[in-house]
Amino acid sequence: GAVVSQHPSRVICKSGTSVKIECRSLDFQATTMFWYRQFPKQSLMLMATSNEGSKATYEQGVEKDKFLINHASLTLSTLTVTSAHPEDSSFYICSARARETQYFGPGTRLLVL
Amino acid sequence: AQSVTQLGSHVSVSEGALVLLRCNYSSSVPPYLFWYVQYPNQGLQLLLKYTSAATLVKGINGFEAEFKKSETSFHLTKPSAHMSDAAEYFCAVSSNSGGGADGLTFGKGTHLIIQP
Repeated sequence: GAVVSQHPSRVICKSGTSVKIECRSLDFQATTMFWYRQFPKQSLMLMATSNEGSKATYEQGVEKDKFLINHASLTLSTLTVTSAHPEDSSFYICSARARETQYFGPGTRLLVL
Repeated sequence: AQSVTQLGSHVSVSEGALVLLRCNYSSSVPPYLFWYVQYPNQGLQLLLKYTSAATLVKGINGFEAEFKKSETSFHLTKPSAHMSDAAEYFCAVSSNSGGGADGLTFGKGTHLIIQP
């Protein structure tokens, strides 16, 4: 139980385009999901907290207009990287909270050319 | 503010030997502490967590960790390493159990290498 999926697993896009990443809790409902970013050989950095039916809470230094988060249902949160640039290339990982534990998705590797 | 320090970006042990991965934390409130493992190109899997109950916490795959408030530490151990333990290990802290409201603050990770 407590499986979280992400789609796509890997995406390559051109600079200036937007990319949407989906995070789904497959066998449980999650009122709270989190989005993290991980640079190569580095740790995860919390970007934002996504709450179902309300606006996301962003960490300091994370641009709200750059990283749009929507949590429209109890099983789906989306992260849209708008007008992507090469410096946005990274590994994006989501997690969903259930039973006081965060369960992580497999991650999405984004490469912006 | 919270922070996590993992000593040693790389740790190498022989198969069958003791595994010790160090984690020290800083927190202005009673912490909740976690160890996660990450295999290449995968997400994170929870190994164990401390949420103010027993200070010695047992997790999956034979791992355990002990919360020591006086030392602000939460080191991860396993008596006998297996080749399958080779992975990246992250220590994380939260002010809420499971990171319910605040999310998790991660250490930089320790890459565990198992020598045959």
